[in-house]
Amino acid sequence: DIQMTQSPSSVSASVGDRVTITCRASQGISSWLAWYQQKPGKAPKLLIYAASSLQSGVPSRFSGSGSGTDFTLTISSLQPEDFATYYCQQANSFSFGQGTKVEIK
Amino acid sequence: EVQLLESGGGLVQPGGSLRLSCAASGFTFSSYAMSWVRQAPGKGLEWVSAISGSGGSTYYADSVKGRFTISRDNSKNTLYLQMNSLRAEDTAVYYCAKGLLPVDTAMVTFDYYYYMDVWGKGTTVTVSS
Repeated sequence: DIQMTQSPSSVSASVGDRVTITCRASQGISSWLAWYQQKPGKAPKLLIYAASSLQSGVPSRFSGSGSGTDFTLTISSLQPEDFATYYCQQANSFSFGQGTKVEIK
Repeated sequence: EVQLLESGGGLVQPGGSLRLSCAASGFTFSSYAMSWVRQAPGKGLEWVSAISGSGGSTYYADSVKGRFTISRDNSKNTLYLQMNSLRAEDTAVYYCAKGLLPVDTAMVTFDYYYYMDVWGKGTTVTVSS
């Protein structure tokens, strides 16, 4: 099975900061990767699919990149509503990363 | 408006069974793959199972293979998850989710059918004696 490892597990940042989260697959998955945002008590929300495609309605400050085994989610200028937990998911055998919590500094 | 509404959660004893349902509306249900994802209390997301639009292809996490069965009734716009031999570690909120693109979309790879763009609010399953 393909394992997904996210780093860091948590990050403290301020409004306006640039935040980068990485996700590494245990084997190559081409561009078959999505990023989701989840706020406490809520269902996850799709942000990015196919590694770099922005889901409709998602602000352009979110971007994704990478292929093969290494992927990145970038928030270019953190907004108050972006404090949440972020998960990567590979679409080969569907496993999620363990999550990255973005907290207020 | 696309909506997914899960039901069927509750308290069940270890070794027991439960069937979850997910009622879909606002889209052509039979055209989309569907998935179940769960989240144990205080933990991350765990993908559980997925099914193609026709129901002809099903996929399971190793942790539930042989115990859980995903199915769908396209005439009723409803997705199901039959859960047998339940264990304490199956305690979680269970979400159903809709695939991103319809399964007859040309010029896309497999993954586009299974990215999850709409989610239900979840139903809670507690396995405890």
